[in-house]
Formats: sequence, C-alpha cells, structure tokens
Amino acid sequence: EDQVTQSPEALRLQEGESSSLNCSYTVSGLRGLFWYRQDPGKGPEFLFTLYSAGEEKEKERLKATLTKKESFLHITAPKPEDSATYLCAVPPDTGRRALTFGSGTRLQVQP
Amino acid sequence: DTAVSQTPKYLVTQMGNDKSIKCEQNLGHDTMYWYKQDSKKFLKIMFSYNNKELIINETVPNRFSPKSPDKAHLNLHINSLELGDSAVYFCASSRGTSNQPQHFGDGTRLSIL
Repeated sequence: EDQVTQSPEALRLQEGESSSLNCSYTVSGLRGLFWYRQDPGKGPEFLFTLYSAGEEKEKERLKATLTKKESFLHITAPKPEDSATYLCAVPPDTGRRALTFGSGTRLQVQP
Repeated sequence: DTAVSQTPKYLVTQMGNDKSIKCEQNLGHDTMYWYKQDSKKFLKIMFSYNNKELIINETVPNRFSPKSPDKAHLNLHINSLELGDSAVYFCASSRGTSNQPQHFGDGTRLSIL
C-alpha cells in the first residue's frame, strides 16, 4: 500500500525567509508525484507534476524537486500570499485506485 | 470560467435527512471523483467514475450513492445523514485514470445538526 508522509506539519516563516517542505513516500514503483496548494475554504489547486527522479519544476517562488524516495517544495523569499496548506500526492499503479495524499504542511508567512 | 463546480457550497441539515451534492466539470475530462476531507484535512477517496463507469468504490457506507449521468457530471446522494457525515466533500476530475493530475472543486461543507 502506498504511503505519503509530509513534514513539517506546520511551518511559520517570516516574509523573505526561504525554506523547504518535505514529502516522503513509499510506493511499489515511482509513478510520479503531484504538489497541490490548498487555501482555506477552497479545493486543492494543482501546482506541479514530477515524473522522474532528478526532475525539477518551478513556478514563481516555488520549486519542486524529486528523488527516488522524497520530494521537496522549496519556497524562496516567501510572501504572505504564499500562506496555504501544501499537499503532495502519488498516483496509483492502476486506474482502479486513486491518488494517495499526504496530510499536508500548513505554511504561514508573516509580513 | 469555473473548471470544476460543486453545488451547494454549504449544506446544513438535520440528522436522518437525505441530501444530494452536484458536480460538473468543463475541462473535457473523462474521470471524476468524490473525496471526503475530515477535520484533520486528510483527503480520502470515496468514488471514481471513468466514462460513466464506476471504477473506484472505497469502503463507505451504502447510504452514499454516486451517480454519473454523463462524463461531465458526478452527483453524490446521501441517505439518512448521520453526525459523522459532517465534513467537506470535494469533487475532482482528471484526464485518464492513473498518473494525470486531478483538478478539484471548492468543496461542499456539510454540517449535520
């Protein structure tokens, strides 16, 4: 059974203070990994797909990286509007299963 | 344009009632999902349909019945609502069934009195 663990559970940063969120996973075979952002009262918003170890994706202040056992979401010089819960998920090995989500990291960026 | 839309956004009702939640997507996707997000914000799959065929049916009470009239719509009907059904229910859609990202609606917040 696939397992996804995110850390830390919560993170408070000052504006401009860079940091990284971790997503570690145990799967039968690497099939990729998704990152989402969820704002309060909203659904998860798709950010990145990473399909192979060594792959990197960037969007504004966010950069996602992938290894064979974990993924990092690096946040460079964050702003208050980056405050949200960040979720990672791994796709199933068969269409008869769904994404396995981590429990998320709640990020708060203070001005 | 809203990609995945759910109605209603809020649903407050009494225990024992029957209610429905509707979902529509205009992304041209062929797979749709229902998730339940509990108080700890953990997303758990309930059902999935691909081209109107039920392909994922997790262990949920049979009081929950999904229905997909076409590829763009997936509804969720809940009978005899219980206090433990209080949660946020999210609809999502994707192209294909496995390693494609899913796109989510903004959720239906169900509160049982």
